[in-house]
Amino acid sequence: DSGVTQTPKHLITATGQRVTLRCSPRSGDLSVYWYQQSLDQGLQFLIHYYNGEERAKGNILERFSAQQFPDLHSELNLSSLELGDSALYFCASSVSGSGREQFFGPGTRLTVL
Amino acid sequence: LAKTTQPISMDSYEGQEVNITCSHNNIATNDYITWYQQFPSQGPRFIIQGYKTKVTNEVASLFIPADRKSSTLSLPRVSLSDTAVYYCLVGDLSGTGGFKTIFGAGTRLFVKA
Repeated sequence: DSGVTQTPKHLITATGQRVTLRCSPRSGDLSVYWYQQSLDQGLQFLIHYYNGEERAKGNILERFSAQQFPDLHSELNLSSLELGDSALYFCASSVSGSGREQFFGPGTRLTVL
Repeated sequence: LAKTTQPISMDSYEGQEVNITCSHNNIATNDYITWYQQFPSQGPRFIIQGYKTKVTNEVASLFIPADRKSSTLSLPRVSLSDTAVYYCLVGDLSGTGGFKTIFGAGTRLFVKA
């Protein structure tokens, strides 16, 4: 158990819908990172937040957005969902903003039908 | 960001030492080398991190030559439970501007009895 929690564990929805994935980092960690992992794309970095501020952005689609709240939990919002958005979404946390040793959550499996 | 190249897959037998080499020819001065392990449908797990020479912890060793253009993850006496995908990452951990974690394709290690 990494200490990072993600909810929900599974999510099944339809194309065109909007969903919110939630992540609670380990106690004391200020950074949250979001990743998407699909079979054909591998593990893709989406975005990094540090203490409430966006710090780095990867290949995150405009239909996706994220934020980190004052209590340091983070949410990833996915809208206008497409079949290709079906994937495992992981969040990770670390103490600093430097990327040293990230602790990954169990992931949310999103299925878009 | 430095690109990494690893073998796609490797086979080994229980009890053997496994060495996985990662090439990162364009590594920058501030870049560190980090290795993660991932089991199916689970988030990656941090194994080891280093900057130069040799780093050892309770699960692995990391060898980095003087030119730092490659690194080798060494797993002593592997067991069936070490069957997983191993990722090599290279990135600046100086903490400026956030951390954009780039995972490559990884090396799929299969340990046989």
